[in-house]
Amino acid sequence: QVQLVQSGAEVKKPGASVKVSCKASENTFTSYDINWVRQATGQGLEWMGWMNPHSGNTGYAQKFQGRVTMTRNTSISTAYMELRSLRSEDTAVYYCARGWGVGANFDYWGQGTLVTVSS
Amino acid sequence: QSALTQPASVSGSPGQSITISCTGTRSDVGGYNYVSWYQQHPGKAPKLMIFDVSNRPSGVSNRFSGSKSGNTASLTISGLQAEDEADYYCSSYISSSTLVFGGGTKLTVV
Repeated sequence: QVQLVQSGAEVKKPGASVKVSCKASENTFTSYDINWVRQATGQGLEWMGWMNPHSGNTGYAQKFQGRVTMTRNTSISTAYMELRSLRSEDTAVYYCARGWGVGANFDYWGQGTLVTVSS
Repeated sequence: QSALTQPASVSGSPGQSITISCTGTRSDVGGYNYVSWYQQHPGKAPKLMIFDVSNRPSGVSNRFSGSKSGNTASLTISGLQAEDEADYYCSSYISSSTLVFGGGTKLTVV
């Protein structure tokens, strides 16, 4: 059974950066893309981007271009999402999700990481 | 890229059928057969219910079905059950491996 386990909640000040990790439990880590999706409290889902753990290739939503970086460490089956220049509007639960297919279907999700941005 | 348009809420009684729409443009929903639907219960991660417009992942009830016409995709839930009460989100492939979600629909089973 595939499991994605994310790092714990973070509290950051405006202008700071946050780096969230997502560890996969299975040895097919490099076979599927890892996507990041966030959700502000009471709001909808917002796709942030994807990373191919095998090649390291990435693709980001236009909204986050220049402010987000997605990386990985294949030796420990872990993906990372770093978001910089945080503002209060970035307060949200951040999810990693395994994606497959051209349409990026997300079949396994992490438990979510709450990032709070507050002065 | 703007979010796909979904009704904010829909409701139905147990046993009834409901349909949730997801409207986009020729650049997303209308341009590709890559629409997915997710169910999300409060405090939980989303769950994939439909992929590639009308396909169900293994383990998803056949009461859930998807379709598309032009720039609008639809999720139909038949034989409504109390456990179906949740938020539902559509998503669509745009291009160059990018994706957009709908704003979400709250389903209430009354």
